[in-house]
Amino acid sequence: AQSVTQPDIHITVSEGASLELRCNYSYGATPYLFWYVQSPGQGLQLLLKYFSGDTLVQGIKGFEAEFKRSQSSFNLRKPSVHWSDAAEYFCAVGGNTPLVFGKGTRLSVIA
Amino acid sequence: SAVISQKPSRDICQRGTSLTIQCQVDSQVTMMFWYRQQPGQSLTLIATANQGSEATYESGFVIDKFPISRPNLTFSTLTVSNLSPEDSSIYLCSVEDRTGPVEKLFFGSGTQLSVL
Repeated sequence: AQSVTQPDIHITVSEGASLELRCNYSYGATPYLFWYVQSPGQGLQLLLKYFSGDTLVQGIKGFEAEFKRSQSSFNLRKPSVHWSDAAEYFCAVGGNTPLVFGKGTRLSVIA
Repeated sequence: SAVISQKPSRDICQRGTSLTIQCQVDSQVTMMFWYRQQPGQSLTLIATANQGSEATYESGFVIDKFPISRPNLTFSTLTVSNLSPEDSSIYLCSVEDRTGPVEKLFFGSGTQLSVL
């Protein structure tokens, strides 16, 4: 069965520091992988996605993620975090079936 | 945590007809979201449905095509009207619940719509 694990419920980083949010998945075939961001009361916004090809994908707002098949991981990174990045981040896996989401990681940014 | 019952799970419809999708939540939630997931694609937000007010539609989606009802804090429907093959997608309802210790976002199981 498909599943997504985001091991970190809450992460706090200093503004300007680097960020890595972890995501591990279980999927029977080659997965489509997504990272979404959600601010309170807002719908999900797609940050980036991986379908095939280059395993390092670039997204919006300076985010990137790397697909590592051997580790079943799709971690999200940003070299320098801004205060406006504080939000909830969701990793998802899917294809032609409804997406399966992780439980989310809340990112707090401190000065 | 919120448990969402979404139905139907799948349907095959004729061109020009309409399909109404129901989303029932086991707890009261303020905000419900309706998404479309086209084959092999990511989610696209259709609209946000708040109880007691009209739904807020995203760019490219209009009320005449996707009327939404939100009669109370536990229930919502999305109708896809005047169906065409391009409407063949998975439709998902979602709620945001920040009262629990861990999970914040909950999704229905999806409605797989095929239009002939």
